[in-house]
Amino acid sequence: EPEVTQTPSHQVTQMGQEVILRCVPISNHLYFYWYRQILGQKVEFLVSFYNNEISEKSEIFDDQFSVERPDGSNFTLKIRSTKLEDSAMYFCASSGDRGALRQPQHFGDGTRLSIL
Amino acid sequence: RKEVEQDPGPFNVPEGATVAFNCTYSNSASQSFFWYRQDCRKEPKLLMSVYSSGNEDGRFTAQLNRASQYISLLIRDSKLSDSATYLCVVNGNGANNLFFGTGTRLTVIP
Repeated sequence: EPEVTQTPSHQVTQMGQEVILRCVPISNHLYFYWYRQILGQKVEFLVSFYNNEISEKSEIFDDQFSVERPDGSNFTLKIRSTKLEDSAMYFCASSGDRGALRQPQHFGDGTRLSIL
Repeated sequence: RKEVEQDPGPFNVPEGATVAFNCTYSNSASQSFFWYRQDCRKEPKLLMSVYSSGNEDGRFTAQLNRASQYISLLIRDSKLSDSATYLCVVNGNGANNLFFGTGTRLTVIP
């Protein structure tokens, strides 16, 4: 069964440093997403991406965050200047040709980001 | 008001029991509804989509009540492997974001 893959599985970074989280969505999917889950809390939507542009973003996704699809397979999340409160599990997800509406999203196994 | 509300549990049930989880959502315009399960420190995994007419997948039955903005999940003949957190998930105002509940923790006891 095709799956979403994420790298690295764990990233430890000093506060104020830039970090890039990488994802390879399922190959025939067109919609891509980032979510985060702070330890012990619920999964929170960050951003969705379609046709090489952001389609929706949450209040969490401020100017410190950016997303990119640098080639035909990778989808990245960049945090420019990390804060302690950015420590969380970050999940990438993808879905087919109708977005979240009607089609479920499939999640990668996450990158645990720890900010020191 | 939270977009999606669930009873956090925990629900501790013996093997073979039937257990039901409920969820309410706040946005009457939501159109897509799902149940995901999440094992400890793992990613959410799709359990089933929820359709207006209700739907069943093996031991799992999901129901949707749009008038009450209420979703349910019924698990019959619980197995040890059903132990997990069950997440009620609803699409947001836009088409492309999902709101997750905090999850209901289920432990099936031998």
